[in-house]
Amino acid sequence: KAGVTQTPRYLIKTRGQQVTLSCSPISGHRSVSWYQQTPGQGLQFLFEYFSETQRNKGNFPGRFSGRQFSNSRSEMNVSTLELGDSALYLCASSWWTGADTQYFGPGTRLTVL
Amino acid sequence: EDQVTQSPEALRLQEGESSSLNCSYTVSGLRGLFWYRQDPGKGPEFLFTLYSAGEEKEKERLKATLTKKESFLHITAPKPEDSATYLCAGATNTGNQFYFGTGTSLTVIP
Repeated sequence: KAGVTQTPRYLIKTRGQQVTLSCSPISGHRSVSWYQQTPGQGLQFLFEYFSETQRNKGNFPGRFSGRQFSNSRSEMNVSTLELGDSALYLCASSWWTGADTQYFGPGTRLTVL
Repeated sequence: EDQVTQSPEALRLQEGESSSLNCSYTVSGLRGLFWYRQDPGKGPEFLFTLYSAGEEKEKERLKATLTKKESFLHITAPKPEDSATYLCAGATNTGNQFYFGTGTSLTVIP
């Protein structure tokens, strides 16, 4: 069974640009959550999508947005990038919102210069 | 405010030297307490879920326990391959939001 895949794995952008990250969940999983991981803050919840609807949202500015497609694949977009957006972005999938086991992808390492 | 705090930040053990990692939580309406292992350059890997105080779960050299305010990850006779960052997280019973601690970086020296 294929795991969670994230593309691209590495990304370098400059301030002010925007970026789109992609996450393909495990087959059959319908919930996708996004997290930002930084050395100082650890993993912080961005948002969760289930059946193409945003179910939960963390405390991040509106520059961070996402969506989910009918095949459960999800994308995350960050507009007007800031230096502080440099982080590892992880997505996690589970078969249902509220399911206890989340399976994480390898992450996308975003560097903002 | 819901939060999870882990200690110590870093731990160095000799191979075979047992120890415990601590996770303190204040999560209203806790649905479950989760432990993950994260290796460098990889996403977290699920280890355990604990649901109620007094519950214990074991996997190889790891045992997780839960009280009303803390969880402990006990590592018995660790091996170098146990070196990783261990993360704990609390999930609320409203929605599917997980609150993660900043992790304990464990190094096991041969």
